[in-house]
Amino acid sequence: GAVVSQHPSWVICKSGTSVKIECRSLDFQATTMFWYRQFPKQSLMLMATSNEGSKATYEQGVEKDKFLINHASLTLSTLTVTSAHPEDSSFYICSARAYRDFNYEQYFGPGTRLTVT
Amino acid sequence: AQKITQTQPGMFVQEKEAVTLDCTYDTSDQSYGLFWYKQPSSGEMIFLIYQGSYDEQNATEGRYSLNFQKARKSANLVISASQLGDSAMYFCAMRYHSSASKIIFGSGTRLSIRP
Repeated sequence: GAVVSQHPSWVICKSGTSVKIECRSLDFQATTMFWYRQFPKQSLMLMATSNEGSKATYEQGVEKDKFLINHASLTLSTLTVTSAHPEDSSFYICSARAYRDFNYEQYFGPGTRLTVT
Repeated sequence: AQKITQTQPGMFVQEKEAVTLDCTYDTSDQSYGLFWYKQPSSGEMIFLIYQGSYDEQNATEGRYSLNFQKARKSANLVISASQLGDSAMYFCAMRYHSSASKIIFGSGTRLSIRP
C-alpha cells in the first residue's frame, strides 16, 4: 500500500520560533500534496495545495508568509510555521496524491501535533 | 459552493447494533467522489469507503456500506454489527474535480459504542 510519513509526530516550541514539519511519500511519487490543520474537536481544514516544483496554492484566509510550504521533490513536502504563536497549536496532517489504476488516490500521513508555549 | 454537512455531532450505539451516520453534500460538479474516514484518538485518518458520483451501485467494504442517494445528495455510512473498536470520529468528505481534486471534510460525528 501507499505510505505517507510525517516528521516529527509531535513538537513543542516556544512562541516566536519557527518549526518545520516534513511530509514524505515512502513508496510512491507525489506531484501534489495537501496540508490540513485540525483544531481540537474540529474537522480538518485544508490549508494549501503543494505542487512539486512550483509555488503552493493557499486557501482563503491562510497566511502564506506564515505557513511556508516547499515541495522540492516528488516525495517530500515541508510546512514551516514561522514565528509561531500559541494559537498555531494544532494537529497538522498532510496527504499525498498518487495516480493509480487510472485514478487519483489520496493517502494521509499520521499527523504532527504542534504545541506552542 | 461545495459543502459537506454532518448533522450528528455525537452518537451512542449499543455493541452489535447497526448504526447510520448521516452526510449530505452540495456541489455543482457532475463528477465528484465521496469518502468516509475514521479518526481514532491517535489522530490518523483511516480510509473506510469511497463512492464515485457515476457509480450506480452502493459501495460496500466489509461491515461498511454507503447509502448513496444522488438525487437527495446524501451519502450515509452504515456500519453493521458495531464493535467497541468502532468508537471514533467519523468524517464524510468530498473530492470535486473542478478544484484540482481537493478533498473537503464535514464537521464529523463522534461515535461511541456501548458494551
